[in-house]
Amino acid sequence: GQNIDQPTEMTATEGAIVQINCTYQTSGFNGLFWYQQHAGEAPTFLSYNVLDGLEEKGRFSSFLSRSKGYSYLLLKELQMKDSASYLCAALDSNYQLIWGAGTKLIIKP
Amino acid sequence: ETGVTQTPRHLVMGMTNKKSLKCEQHLGHNAMYWYKQSAKKPLELMFVYNFKEQTENNSVPSRFSPECPNSSHLFLHLHTLQPEDSALYLCASSQDFVDSGNTIYFGEGSWLTVV
Repeated sequence: GQNIDQPTEMTATEGAIVQINCTYQTSGFNGLFWYQQHAGEAPTFLSYNVLDGLEEKGRFSSFLSRSKGYSYLLLKELQMKDSASYLCAALDSNYQLIWGAGTKLIIKP
Repeated sequence: ETGVTQTPRHLVMGMTNKKSLKCEQHLGHNAMYWYKQSAKKPLELMFVYNFKEQTENNSVPSRFSPECPNSSHLFLHLHTLQPEDSALYLCASSQDFVDSGNTIYFGEGSWLTVV
């Protein structure tokens, strides 16, 4: 079966760095998405990786290893507004998005 | 503002009621989606429309009935729902059916409570 695993909840301190991991098992692979969802709001697109390596976008970076079925989202210089759920989703060979249950990130002062 | 608008934002309905959720996208996209989001569970894809034609129906119970009158509007008609159907229903759109790099844009969702 197809599956995405990510931690349910993580806590970090304002100003620190946090890494949210995601492992996937899919029938084929056409890329991996990360979305951010604040409570009561729409999920919003953060990143898309299809090639191995690290892609940096300001304070956020996303990494992919296709051989390991692994991705992570790295958040630097954490701010209180980064408190949200982070959703990982993999695109399989049929271009179906397989979603993880999301990681709730709590930022403490 | 994501360009995808959903109404109502909150809905409470009895098990014998009939109601509808509405979605409108202002992005000129060709594909629209209904997702169900329950607490601590992955997003569940319910329906996909591409160029107004339904292309996916992931074994959704018939008490959920989608309608796509044009490429900008999508409805989800609800009838004789069960309490376990209480969830956040998210509408989304993308330029075309999701493929490599095609981003999905979500609305803010309709919170449904079935009593």
